[in-house]
Amino acid sequence: EAAVTQSPRNKVAVTGGKVTLSCNQTNNHNNMYWYRQDTGHGLRLIHYSYGAGSTEKGDIPDGYKASRPSQENFSLILELATPSQTSVYFCASGDNTEVFFGKGTRLTVV
Amino acid sequence: GDKVKQSPSALSLQEGTNSALRCNFSIAATTVQWFLQNPRGSLINLFYLVPGTKENGRLKSTFNSKESYSTLHIRDAQLEDSGTYFCAAEARLSGSFNKLTFGAGTRLAVCP
Repeated sequence: EAAVTQSPRNKVAVTGGKVTLSCNQTNNHNNMYWYRQDTGHGLRLIHYSYGAGSTEKGDIPDGYKASRPSQENFSLILELATPSQTSVYFCASGDNTEVFFGKGTRLTVV
Repeated sequence: GDKVKQSPSALSLQEGTNSALRCNFSIAATTVQWFLQNPRGSLINLFYLVPGTKENGRLKSTFNSKESYSTLHIRDAQLEDSGTYFCAAEARLSGSFNKLTFGAGTRLAVCP
């Protein structure tokens, strides 16, 4: 089973502050993804990457940046956090077939 | 409108009964995944489907790409089946592997 580890699992941030969410996968998957989950919306794609050094915009990228410094690591960066970014964030990885998710990070921006 | 529409949005089942969940797609889905989000929030992989049918224990899923839908059948529902079921479609274009579009989910409660 694919292993995707997110940190931190919970985070409280202040409005206007910088937040970095980290994701690590140990399965040598090329593809990694960041989603957010809000009530009534399912999961929505923020950014994704097809390999080290590459990042692509997903469906809701505004207010977020991403970084893929290595095959294993994919970060989501909120340069200026806003209360509307309060959500649960999921990282995922895949090998062009099945996608596997981490346990999620609950972010509260106050 | 919704690219992936799940129905019903919520469902209550008596333990031991059967039910079916459905996803309809308005995108050209090439593969489908079904997930169960358990009460702790973790997303558990249930099925990865190309067009066709798969079965795993009391669960069976079908993906019909020509008619743009997928179903998840639960047989002999157990208390541990409770949670939110998500379907997610991949519309595989050149260079866009694994990008999943999710439905809003079906909340299932199994009662004793």
